[in-house]
Amino acid sequence: SQQGEEDPQALSIQEGENATMNCSYKTSINNLQWYRQNSGRGLVHLILIRSNEREKHSGRLRVTLDTSKKSSSLLITASRAADTASYFCATDPGTYKYIFGTGTRLKVLA
Amino acid sequence: NAGVTQTPKFQVLKTGQSMTLQCAQDMNHEYMSWYRQDPGMGLRLIHYSVGAGITDQGEVPNGYNVSRSTTEDFPLRLLSAAPSQTSVYFCASSYLRASGTGELFFGEGSRLTVL
Repeated sequence: SQQGEEDPQALSIQEGENATMNCSYKTSINNLQWYRQNSGRGLVHLILIRSNEREKHSGRLRVTLDTSKKSSSLLITASRAADTASYFCATDPGTYKYIFGTGTRLKVLA
Repeated sequence: NAGVTQTPKFQVLKTGQSMTLQCAQDMNHEYMSWYRQDPGMGLRLIHYSVGAGITDQGEVPNGYNVSRSTTEDFPLRLLSAAPSQTSVYFCASSYLRASGTGELFFGEGSRLTVL
C-alpha cells in the first residue's frame, strides 16, 4: 500500500491545549494537504503546503514539512471542543493520485 | 452554490446487484475522483478524471467503472456488488493548474452496505 501513516491514531486533550499530529509518506510530492472530517461528514480542506515550503500558518493551524524525512506535522493551538474531528494528511505526488494517511482522531474535552 | 453533491446518501444492496453512485459538481472543476473509506484505512482512490472523456484507475479500481461525459458529472458504477465493497464512498473535485491539482472539495459521502 502507498498509504501514508499518521500518528498518533487517537489524541485526547483539554480545551485550550495544543494538539500535534504527524504524517509520514513514502513518495516524492508536489504538495501536502491536511483535511478535517467531522463524524459522518465529508472531508474539509484545512491547509496546503508546497514541497518547496517548510512551514505555513493559517489562523490557529501551523503546518511543517520536512521533505528529507518525508514527514509533516499539523499543530492546532488553543484547541476548542469544535476541533474534535479526524484529521488526515494527503500527498499529491504529481500523478493526480492523491494518497491519504490513515488519520488521527482528535477529541477535545471541554 | 451546491459544491459537490452525492446521491444516494445510503444504499443497501444484495450480493450481485449493480448500482450507480452519482456525483455532480457545479464549480467547473476539471478534476474529479472517487474514494472509498474503510475503518482504519483512510481514503483510497478508486478512479479519477482530469476532464470530460478522460478517466484513469486509482489504487483500488477492481469492481468499479466510471465515465465522464460532462464536466459536471462523474458517476461510479458497481457492476456486481460484493460484501467487500461495503464502505463509505466519497466524491471529490478540484481545479487543475500547471502545478497540478489544488484543494479537494468533497461530497458528504454515500454509505453502501452489501449483504
